[in-house]
Amino acid sequence: EPEVTQTPSHQVTQMGQEVILRCVPISNHLYFYWYRQILGQKVEFLVSFYNNEISEKSEIFDDQFSVERPDGSNFTLKIRSTKLEDSAMYFCASVRVVYGYTFGSGTRLTVV
Amino acid sequence: RKEVEQDPGPFNVPEGATVAFNCTYSNSASQSFFWYRQDCRKEPKLLMSVYSSGNEDGRFTAQLNRASQYISLLIRDSKLSDSATYLCVVNDNPNTGFQKLVFGTGTRLLVSP
Repeated sequence: EPEVTQTPSHQVTQMGQEVILRCVPISNHLYFYWYRQILGQKVEFLVSFYNNEISEKSEIFDDQFSVERPDGSNFTLKIRSTKLEDSAMYFCASVRVVYGYTFGSGTRLTVV
Repeated sequence: RKEVEQDPGPFNVPEGATVAFNCTYSNSASQSFFWYRQDCRKEPKLLMSVYSSGNEDGRFTAQLNRASQYISLLIRDSKLSDSATYLCVVNDNPNTGFQKLVFGTGTRLLVSP
């Protein structure tokens, strides 16, 4: 079964550092997403991406965040200057057309 | 009011029991509804979509009441492997195309021998 692959599985970074979380969506999928889940809290939408541009973003997705799909396969989430409150699981997801989210296994980001 | 509200539990049940989870959502324009399962520190995995007519998948039955904005999940003959957090999820985007999923905080189920 096709998978969404995320790397790294765990990243520890110092406050103020930049991090890039990587995702390889399923190859024939068209819509790409990032969600995050702070420990003990609900999964929250960050951003959706279609046709090489952002479709929608939440208020969490401020100027510190950016996404890109540089080579048609990888889909990255960059956090420019990490804060302690950015510590969370970050899930990438892709969807072929309308239904059928496939989530990656997530990257656990720990900001110290 | 929370967008998607669930009882956090935990629900502690013995193997073989029947257990029911409920969920309410606030956006009446929501178009599609799901139950996801999440194991500890893992990604959410789709358990089943929820349709207005109600639907069943083996031991799992889901119901949707649009008028009350209420979704339910019934698990019959609980197995140890059903222990997980069950997430009520609503697609908050009324347009076709991309979905924006809104998650409840989840209901934790513990099935004991």
